[in-house]
Amino acid sequence: QVQLVQSGAEVKRTGASVKVSCKASGYTFTSYHVHWVRQAPGQGLEWMGIISPTDGYTNIAQKFQGRVTMTSDTSTTTMYMELSSLTFQDMAVYYCAKDRGTTSAFDVWGQGTRVTVSS
Amino acid sequence: QSALTQPASVSASPGQSVTISCSGTSSDIGSYNYVSWYQQLPGKAPKLIIFGVVNRPSGVSDRFSASKSGNTASLTISGLQTEDEGDYYCISFTGDNPRYVFGSGTKVTVL
Repeated sequence: QVQLVQSGAEVKRTGASVKVSCKASGYTFTSYHVHWVRQAPGQGLEWMGIISPTDGYTNIAQKFQGRVTMTSDTSTTTMYMELSSLTFQDMAVYYCAKDRGTTSAFDVWGQGTRVTVSS
Repeated sequence: QSALTQPASVSASPGQSVTISCSGTSSDIGSYNYVSWYQQLPGKAPKLIIFGVVNRPSGVSDRFSASKSGNTASLTISGLQTEDEGDYYCISFTGDNPRYVFGSGTKVTVL
């Protein structure tokens, strides 16, 4: 079945970087874009950006530009999201989500990766 | 780009209906039919329940329906069940940056 499996929880210091992986299976990896979404504790969902696994094209939300790098590895069908210069406000669960295609909906989600930031 | 506006909470008794509004602008909901809705149960990842404004994915109960009028989208849950308790989010394509914007989220409580 179609699955996105993310890497495990991370604990990072302020100022450090974190890299979250998202391994896709069960579908043609290069046919669908993938989004990254985060959710701070007790808060709502926040769209971070989108990547095309085919050519690595990305569109990053302005709020995260300069701090977020999204990449994909077609040989391992894995996407990566790296967030640098971490602050306490970056503590959140980070999700990858597959785009459905023609209607820009997120039809399959990863299980989420919790990122904790400590001083 | 601010988050789309949703009521913080709605509640109703089992079997009744609730409607959740998602208010945007002419730059997002008003311009595109790319509105989708997600159900998030406690401790779980979001689940797609509506795409393309009104469409249900295979396997999603027909108790979920949605619509759009102008700059506002709406989700209706009919025949409310205890398993429907959770948070619901809308999202719209914006064509700007950020390219997508989520709603603020609505907590559904079954009394």
